[in-house]
Amino acid sequence: GAVVSQHPSRVICKSGTSVKIECRSLDFQATTMFWYRQFPKKSLMLMATSNEGSKATYEQGVEKDKFLINHASLTLSTLTVTSAHPEDSSFYICSASGTSIHNEQFFGPGTRLTVL
Amino acid sequence: DAKTTQPPSMDCAEGRAANLPCNHSTISGNEYVYWYRQIHSQGPQYIIHGLKNNETNEMASLIITEDRKSSTLILPHATLRDTAVYYCIVSRRNQAGTALIFGKGTTLSVSS
Repeated sequence: GAVVSQHPSRVICKSGTSVKIECRSLDFQATTMFWYRQFPKKSLMLMATSNEGSKATYEQGVEKDKFLINHASLTLSTLTVTSAHPEDSSFYICSASGTSIHNEQFFGPGTRLTVL
Repeated sequence: DAKTTQPPSMDCAEGRAANLPCNHSTISGNEYVYWYRQIHSQGPQYIIHGLKNNETNEMASLIITEDRKSSTLILPHATLRDTAVYYCIVSRRNQAGTALIFGKGTTLSVSS
């Protein structure tokens, strides 16, 4: 099956700093990537949908200026959490789909963010 | 997308079949039933999907009722490694730009 990777797998940062999370499709071209957030004992919540080369579409309640998404190539999308605060601590998961894999979605392993 | 209803938790003895139900009474004709699972602190893992007919793969079987308003995921011989949260999702298949929307899922606990 198609493989999606995320980097880093876990990150700890100080409050007020920015953190960048990468999502890569390793063996297919991802025309669309999705970013989810998951708090402890909760389900995955969709944050935004990004199509290669265009601006991301954010879900209601997700601040676009705080969670910057860039999808500049067909194999890479990045999520930058700007001015992180402890309440941004969460598990961030990306998924990717593409026409070369019939638009099926494949998920990355997730990134655990802890903001001190 | 149509919503799904799943029991919050289930227990299963190791080696036994685990039958996980899902109700999707408002499913549309062009929507598929997908099953994913999430083992603690990992990304969701695809299990199986179906439209009308029952499906089977190396991981599980999917039984969909004739009226398509409910389905059951069957793990034929559950192992401890099958302990996870199982999500039943209804979505149009292969539609570019359509995210999968996760409900609360069923926490399956397999014990020896």
